[in-house]
Amino acid sequence: TQLLEQSPQFLSIQEGENLTVYCNSSSVFSSLQWYRQEPGEGPVLLVTVVTGGEVKKLKRLTFQFGDARKDSSLHITAAQPGDTGLYLCAGEADRGSTLGRLYFGRGTQLTVWP
Amino acid sequence: DTEVTQTPKHLVMGMTNKKSLKCEQHMGHRAMYWYKQKAKKPPELMFVYSYEKLSINESVPSRFSPECPNSSLLNLHLHALQPEDSALYLCASSQVAGAPYEQYFGPGTRLTVT
Repeated sequence: TQLLEQSPQFLSIQEGENLTVYCNSSSVFSSLQWYRQEPGEGPVLLVTVVTGGEVKKLKRLTFQFGDARKDSSLHITAAQPGDTGLYLCAGEADRGSTLGRLYFGRGTQLTVWP
Repeated sequence: DTEVTQTPKHLVMGMTNKKSLKCEQHMGHRAMYWYKQKAKKPPELMFVYSYEKLSINESVPSRFSPECPNSSLLNLHLHALQPEDSALYLCASSQVAGAPYEQYFGPGTRLTVT
């Protein structure tokens, strides 16, 4: 059972298009992290959202944490070929017994064509 | 500095070999993690160390043996591996005190078992 449902699994778009990736759960997370990973490399942390309803922007990327802290979205405006990669959402569960354990979504493989 | 380093970058080993993967961080983080990642899948947690003590073992086979010699170093000793153990092995670290506990990943070791 996947704690975090991430969609879509694959996304292939043309340069200049906009896109949104979703990460949903029935569980509450104390924080949610978004990573981008290129083939053969480790995931690179893009952003961490902590507060329900929080919106963070990183250039053309906009991240939102749901009010109930159960879901998050990543929106990319005017996608570029350099945005190509595997996008992973990861929720941090309650600290009580899981010591920073991250629950990963399945990932979204994004390909942006020139 | 949010760098986690891993060596070697690539490793090819036979099923009877013994080898070790190394990970190092100098961010003062006191939690360190080993993950295994198959192609186009999210990372799977293997082990968590907190204050140099093993706190989580995700029922990993004994042919994988972790070691945390000090707060900056994490090793993964490999012995009698199987071809299905071929994967990208990722190390990560995070702080222990003070939320959120963002995990920073190293570039990974690409392991091939022949």
